[in-house]
Amino acid sequence: GESVGLHLPTLSVQEGDNSIINCAYSNSASDYFIWYKQESGKGPQFIIDIRSNMDKRQGQRVTVLLNKTVKHLSLQIAATQPGDSAVYFCAESHFNKFYFGSGTKLNVKP
Amino acid sequence: KAGVTQTPRYLIKTRGQQVTLSCSPISGHRSVSWYQQTPGQGLQFLFEYFSETQRNKGNFPGRFSGRQFSNSRSEMNVSTLELGDSALYLCASSLEAGGADTQYFGPGTRLTVL
Repeated sequence: GESVGLHLPTLSVQEGDNSIINCAYSNSASDYFIWYKQESGKGPQFIIDIRSNMDKRQGQRVTVLLNKTVKHLSLQIAATQPGDSAVYFCAESHFNKFYFGSGTKLNVKP
Repeated sequence: KAGVTQTPRYLIKTRGQQVTLSCSPISGHRSVSWYQQTPGQGLQFLFEYFSETQRNKGNFPGRFSGRQFSNSRSEMNVSTLELGDSALYLCASSLEAGGADTQYFGPGTRLTVL
């Protein structure tokens, strides 16, 4: 949801395993959601998006699931690779702008 | 298609100075949003411009201002810099405004205030 000053949680996975990154969004009126990946020293990179009239969307190696009942969004990464190591955060859109979560750091162990 | 570009990539300023950052959106995108990113606060929305008009504004003091030109390029200005303004400033462009469309980010400008 809306960005707050929180300690960044870390998810450590073994290379080749599947990763699941979760995001609890803040507003039931949010109708559009995006997952971003941010590597150190770079700007956020678009991964996948989903609108509120859907509950699942798949991309290449990634799947986003949306549960509007509990205001929860998840990003699943299949066969996680070392290049997937980064901070991942979700964005929700409502009231004409985006609000960003604080992110989860994904650490892929070779 | 070229992505969002930001200049300069790095800036070092001293307190009290002012700074101007520039952002060129993806070709065809008319919306440009600016964000401040710090380790403690994450991504904070500054403002959004669409077709040369400010469409939305975040909770930042008036020292932070921006504008957008007819070619959709945007500039952000921070006057009377404070130490707390040290951050990564990101701009994002999209086809439509108001959170209705995907935002694509630039690499950011790293501002350090001494």
